[in-house]
Parts: sequence; C-alpha cells; structure tokens
Amino acid sequence: DAGVTQSPTHLIKTRGQHVTLRCSPISGHKSVSWYQQVLGQGPQFIFQYYEKEERGRGNFPDRFSARQFPNYSSELNVNALLLGDSALYLCASSLEGTVNTGELFFGEGSRLTVL
Amino acid sequence: GNSVTQMEGPVTLSEEAFLTINCTYTATGYPSLFWYVQYPGEGLQLLLKATKADDKGSNKGFEATYRKETTSFHLEKGSVQVSDSAVYFCALSEWSGGGNKLTFGTGTQLKVEL
Repeated sequence: DAGVTQSPTHLIKTRGQHVTLRCSPISGHKSVSWYQQVLGQGPQFIFQYYEKEERGRGNFPDRFSARQFPNYSSELNVNALLLGDSALYLCASSLEGTVNTGELFFGEGSRLTVL
Repeated sequence: GNSVTQMEGPVTLSEEAFLTINCTYTATGYPSLFWYVQYPGEGLQLLLKATKADDKGSNKGFEATYRKETTSFHLEKGSVQVSDSAVYFCALSEWSGGGNKLTFGTGTQLKVEL
C-alpha cells in the first residue's frame, strides 16, 4: 500500500511568490496534518484537517492556508513568501482526528527554498 | 504552552554501546508521549509511544517509560547498531483548537560507528 505522498519534493521560489504543496494520505485515513521543519529544529504544527474541516491551527500567519478535498487529499498554500519560509514541509495522515489513539504517518516532505 | 526539551546532539557511539537520549516535557494536562525517528533522506517514523503515566513503550530494542513525577520520557537501547544512526525526536500530543497536534523537541542526531 502507498504511504503518504507529497509533491513536489523540491522547489525553489523567490520572495513574494506563492506556493502550493500537495499531499495524498494513506488510503482510508481521514485526517491530514501539516508541519514545518526548519533545518536543525523539530517540526512545528501548522494545520490539522479532519473530514474536510479545520480542527487545529498552529501559530502561523494568515499567509498560510490549507484545505482538504472530498477524497481527503490536502493542499497547503503559502502567499507572499519570505526567506524564513524556507523549510521542509511535512504532511501526516491518521485514521482519526486525534493523535492520542493512533500514530501519525508522515510523508517524506516538500523542501521549499525561498531566494 | 506545552514544550519538549531534548538533549543536544550529535551523540556519537560505538556499535554495541548503551544509548540514552534524555527528554523532558512541560504540559498542563496528561499528554501522550512519542519518540519519532528520521533516517537520512526519509520522513518521520513512529518509533514508540506511551499514553499514560508509568507506561513503557518499546520497539526494535528501544524503550522509554512515561515518568509523570519527573516529567520525562528518556529513550534507551542496550546495544546500538550502525543502522540506528538517525535523528530522534521526542514529542507530546496536545489538544489545540478542536484538534490534536504534536509538539516536537529539536531532535537529537545519533551517529553509531564501527
């Protein structure tokens, strides 16, 4: 079975541009979460979606937005890119809307470089 | 808010040595605790978890015990292998705005040499 898949794997943008990152969860998983991992640090929570509704939002500016589609795939959008947005963006899926009862399955991430 | 503190790396060990990676947490409630591992070029994988005080999580020879009295969840392995070289992240779960999220530590890089 396919794991969590993310695209693109690598991309380079310039300041002020917009980026869209995509994620397909494991088949049957209804919850998708997004994390930002800056080099040398642990992942930081951005969003969680469950059954197409936002269930949690981390401490990120409104330039960051996301949505979940009827097939449970998800997009993360970042507008007006800043140099500090350069990071590995991780998508994770799980069966339910909680992490306490099950594990998160992570994709390999999309590495964004902002010049 | 809640937070996780891990010992800084890199930690360099010889094969078959004993491993301890310290992790302490701050939380207002009763979170579940996790260790995730990130091998070079790969995504995060759950290594083990514990959902309540005194629980011991174990997997692949690694183990960690949820210690509420010391707010700790230290990772141990009796005999490391070169293949254990990776970055290890301690994390806790917390409820935020109607959903659960993981709060991670900064990660500890482990290098195991022959």
